[in-house]
Amino acid sequence: NAGVTQTPKFQVLKTGQSMTLQCAQDMNHNSMYWYRQDPGMGLRLIYYSASEGTTDKGEVPNGYNVSRLNKREFSLRLESAAPSQTSVYFCASREPHSAANSRLHFGNGTRLTVT
Amino acid sequence: AQSVTQLGSHVSVSEGALVLLRCNYSSSVPPYLFWYVQYPNQGLQLLLKYTTGATLVKGINGFEAEFKKSETSFHLTKPSAHMSDAAEYFCAVSNNAGNMLTFGGGTRLMVKP
Repeated sequence: NAGVTQTPKFQVLKTGQSMTLQCAQDMNHNSMYWYRQDPGMGLRLIYYSASEGTTDKGEVPNGYNVSRLNKREFSLRLESAAPSQTSVYFCASREPHSAANSRLHFGNGTRLTVT
Repeated sequence: AQSVTQLGSHVSVSEGALVLLRCNYSSSVPPYLFWYVQYPNQGLQLLLKYTTGATLVKGINGFEAEFKKSETSFHLTKPSAHMSDAAEYFCAVSNNAGNMLTFGGGTRLMVKP
């Protein structure tokens, strides 16, 4: 049981390049999330998907797009990377009942550097 | 809007000493509160959560937290620190719909031998 798997683990981009961060979960969870983690700022929600076929903006969506490809997969795309997007990106999924008190399961993160 | 403030971005304790990590929240509705821990190069793992009922919540690895509504606090404690407790700890609050989990800035706990 792998849980939440993110690829790649590390990536270096030049300003203006594009890339897609991949996330897959094998726990049959409905809800999935993308967060970015920056020192002193905790985790900030970029986008989330409450169920297959739906996506919504979080706190910091500018410069990102997402796709909920199917129930398992939720990808995050940077169309034109900027240095301000240098961060550690975490994908997470929420336990099946999706109640407000249910826990998030996190992947191990993607460390992205934009030069 | 909800928010979380963690006092102290870095906390250092000696092995065997009390651990106290502070968290204050603001929420317009009764909150669901969480503590997550992050070990180096890993994702976050749930330590404990408060939903309803007993205000003293026990979690994994000997940690516990007390929900104090009057103080809007949810501080995390452990009576005796262990070297393996060195990590970053995040307090978080969930809205009622459960689709927005707001995190504090994190507190890095260092444990000295």
